[in-house]
Amino acid sequence: AQKVTQAQTEISVVEKEDVTLDCVYETRDTTYYLFWYKQPPSGELVFLIRRNSFDEQNEISGRYSWNFQKSTSSFNFTITASQVVDSAVYFCALSELSPRAGNNRKLIWGLGTSLAVNP
Amino acid sequence: DADVTQTPRNRITKTGKRIMLECSQTKGHDRMYWYRQDPGLGLRLIYYSFDVKDINKGEISDGYSVSRQAQAKFSLSLESAIPNQTALYFCATSDSLQQGSYNEQFFGPGTRLTVL
Repeated sequence: AQKVTQAQTEISVVEKEDVTLDCVYETRDTTYYLFWYKQPPSGELVFLIRRNSFDEQNEISGRYSWNFQKSTSSFNFTITASQVVDSAVYFCALSELSPRAGNNRKLIWGLGTSLAVNP
Repeated sequence: DADVTQTPRNRITKTGKRIMLECSQTKGHDRMYWYRQDPGLGLRLIYYSFDVKDINKGEISDGYSVSRQAQAKFSLSLESAIPNQTALYFCATSDSLQQGSYNEQFFGPGTRLTVL
């Protein structure tokens, strides 16, 4: 069965520290997609990144970077030089092949990591 | 203007009442979803719809029903609300694009529902 584990429930850092949020997944699919979403204190869910299983290149976007390693089934997210505005809950998600819906897929969500960046 | 809107944003109701949460989107996506979020339980899928004529139960559909009135509108109903349906409810949309592909979901701002 597909599963997403975010082992870190809460992380607290001081501003300007680097922080890595872990995401480990399980799937039998050979083709799958991984996602990260951010949920700031205001409550909305903001899409950050999508990665497909054939692309193991690391992604960097400003202070954010993602490390996808199929060998360890991990898709970790690093924030460099964290800022107070990075304080949020971060969710990792995995697409699942739904037999009832042909090639359409649903998302399997991790439980999230709550990141607090303190001034 | 927001691409995915939800109404109401907050609602307090009593046990046994019928409640409808509405979702509208201007993104032109064909897929729409309803989730609930509870502390410690993350996001759980209630119902999803891949087009107007295709509606499917998610992992926690009991006690809920949905209606896809148009491509842009997807409503969630609680026929007889109970206290354990108190949660934050999200609507989301995604585009189907390519067969076998999977595109990110875009979320509405959420509806905070309290059932007393």
